[in-house]
Amino acid sequence: GAVVSQHPSRVICKSGTSVKIECRSLDFQATTMFWYRQFPKKSLMLMATSNEGSKATYEQGVEKDKFLINHASLTLSTLTVTSAHPEDSSFYICSARDAAEQYFGPGTRLTVT
Amino acid sequence: DQQVKQNSPSLSVQEGRISILNCDYTNSMFDYFLWYKKYPAEGPTFLISISSIKDKNEDGRFTVFLNKSAKHLSLHIVPSQPGDSAVYFCAASRSMDTGRRALTFGSGTRLQVQP
Repeated sequence: GAVVSQHPSRVICKSGTSVKIECRSLDFQATTMFWYRQFPKKSLMLMATSNEGSKATYEQGVEKDKFLINHASLTLSTLTVTSAHPEDSSFYICSARDAAEQYFGPGTRLTVT
Repeated sequence: DQQVKQNSPSLSVQEGRISILNCDYTNSMFDYFLWYKKYPAEGPTFLISISSIKDKNEDGRFTVFLNKSAKHLSLHIVPSQPGDSAVYFCAASRSMDTGRRALTFGSGTRLQVQP
């Protein structure tokens, strides 16, 4: 199946700093990528839909100024958590869509201290 | 309001027996359903899907059943193997999201297969 990578896999940062997470589709071009967030023992919650060359579409309740999404190419989308706070600590997962399915990255564990 | 529900947070079965994971949905606009398997600290892995025009889809040891009138689907794994132990997520999407195929996930069921 298709491969999606995320970098970094784990990051610890201090409150007030910004963190960038990269999502890459390694063997296919993805016009659409998605960013999800998973809280402990909870479902994956869709944060935003990232479209190559256009602005991301954010789900209700997700602050677009806090979670900056850039989809600069057909294989790369980035999520930047700005001015991170401890409540932003979570597991962030991206997915990339080809014509048939969504393929998920391995996730990034963000811990804000 | 949770549109996709997995009411059993955990399930334990013996190796070789059948595992049945259940999922209910409330949004009648959903017409495509998927099951994902997830290990801790990893992203979900696609297992099997079903379109609303079908009521059954089979792939090896995995079979998904869809009951549209009851808004219910289930994943059957038979025979269950210890390597199947993971968290299983049910997900749904609407074709009206054309191109987006944003997924709505259930809360997951942790399956443990005992050797």
